[in-house]
Amino acid sequence: ILNVEQSPQSLHVQEGDSTNFTCSFPSSNFYALHWYRWETAKSPEALFVMTLNGDEKKKGRISATLNTKEGYSYLYIKGSQPEDSATYLCAFKAAGNKLTFGGGTRVLVKP
Amino acid sequence: NAGVTQTPKFRILKIGQSMTLQCTQDMNHNYMYWYRQDPGMGLKLIYYSVGAGITDKGEVPNGYNVSRSTTEDFPLRLELAAPSQTSVYFCASSYSRTAGLTDTQYFGPGTRLTVL
Repeated sequence: ILNVEQSPQSLHVQEGDSTNFTCSFPSSNFYALHWYRWETAKSPEALFVMTLNGDEKKKGRISATLNTKEGYSYLYIKGSQPEDSATYLCAFKAAGNKLTFGGGTRVLVKP
Repeated sequence: NAGVTQTPKFRILKIGQSMTLQCTQDMNHNYMYWYRQDPGMGLKLIYYSVGAGITDKGEVPNGYNVSRSTTEDFPLRLELAAPSQTSVYFCASSYSRTAGLTDTQYFGPGTRLTVL
């Protein structure tokens, strides 16, 4: 069983502030790292798929970096807005086509 | 395209009852998956399928069965429901051309199951 950990489990952010959180995964046998955004009462939606060490991806105010050698990825939210409130899931892919999901970081942006 | 659809959205079962959770995708994806989501635990893979007629166990398969007779459908069967199976169940699909290195998974809306 692969160990994919996300920290913190939850965080509260004031509207307008920036924040970031971590996904840790095994540094060996790396294929890809996925980030999903999961709003309450909806289904997870893909944000990024990252495959190369040093990858940086950006979508609007959300960006992510990847370090496969040390086994971590950061997700950043710049100038947080209430609509950014969601659970952010990372998922690690090693062999085959099975994603191993982390427990998620629940972000609550307060107006 | 409807994407990935799941039925029912909610269900309450008594211990020992059986039921089938339906999942259908209209994107011609070859890979399909069933996950369960427990509070604070993220998503755990129950079963997956790489194509019609082929299924394999995931991380938490006990108490469940699946079948994949068509590309579109991937039902999940609970034979003897137990309280430990109370969870939210998500079906997902993806299209793999390169052994699934980067393909994104598309999720259904989920089925909330309570076993009493």
